[in-house]
Amino acid sequence: GAGVSQSPRYKVAKRGQDVALRCDPISGHVSLFWYQQALGQGPEFLTYFQNEAQLDKSGLPSDRFFAERPEGSVSTLKIQRTQQEDSAVYLCASSLGMGSYEQYFGPGTRLTVT
Amino acid sequence: AQSVTQLGSHVSVSEGALVLLRCNYSSSVPPYLFWYVQYPNQGLQLLLKYTSAATLVKGINGFEAEFKKSETSFHLTKPSAHMSDAAEYFCAVSEGNYQLIWGAGTKLIIKP
Repeated sequence: GAGVSQSPRYKVAKRGQDVALRCDPISGHVSLFWYQQALGQGPEFLTYFQNEAQLDKSGLPSDRFFAERPEGSVSTLKIQRTQQEDSAVYLCASSLGMGSYEQYFGPGTRLTVT
Repeated sequence: AQSVTQLGSHVSVSEGALVLLRCNYSSSVPPYLFWYVQYPNQGLQLLLKYTSAATLVKGINGFEAEFKKSETSFHLTKPSAHMSDAAEYFCAVSEGNYQLIWGAGTKLIIKP
């Protein structure tokens, strides 16, 4: 079956622009996660959804970052007024939930802010 | 608090040699443990997982890991390295909730 997909795969934004990153999770997966991965580092948790409810957004680095999953499926991570320090790979993962803890990852979106 | 330590940011082995990637964790409850692999410009792929069943876990691509509670370790091994194993490997721990705590990763380099 189809895995987690993300679009775009690459995004170049000028400093100050807004960007929107999309994630299509595996069909039927209840849980959805966003991570930020800097070069040479592990994933850093940003936010977690269970269906459409955002249950944890403690990892969002500033109020410029906003995520939504309005119908409990597709999710969008929006970054307003991008800064150079936002340059990273943004990974989306989904999980079946209900006691299943392994997460399945998309290919990521590489964001470069110039 | 949970934490994961991966010893060695880079590990280099010859093709055909044993691969050993180390992972130590701390957890206040019996953990769930995972190894993921990341190839260049790709997302993370689950290699194997420990969820309190057998302590020796077999995964994809010939990898396996052994959960040792007394050593709080979950080291990843493969008997014979292949060039295609060159990638970054991440260990992660969960205490039975949605949060995965990640190690910093180990880059595996295979020498011909």
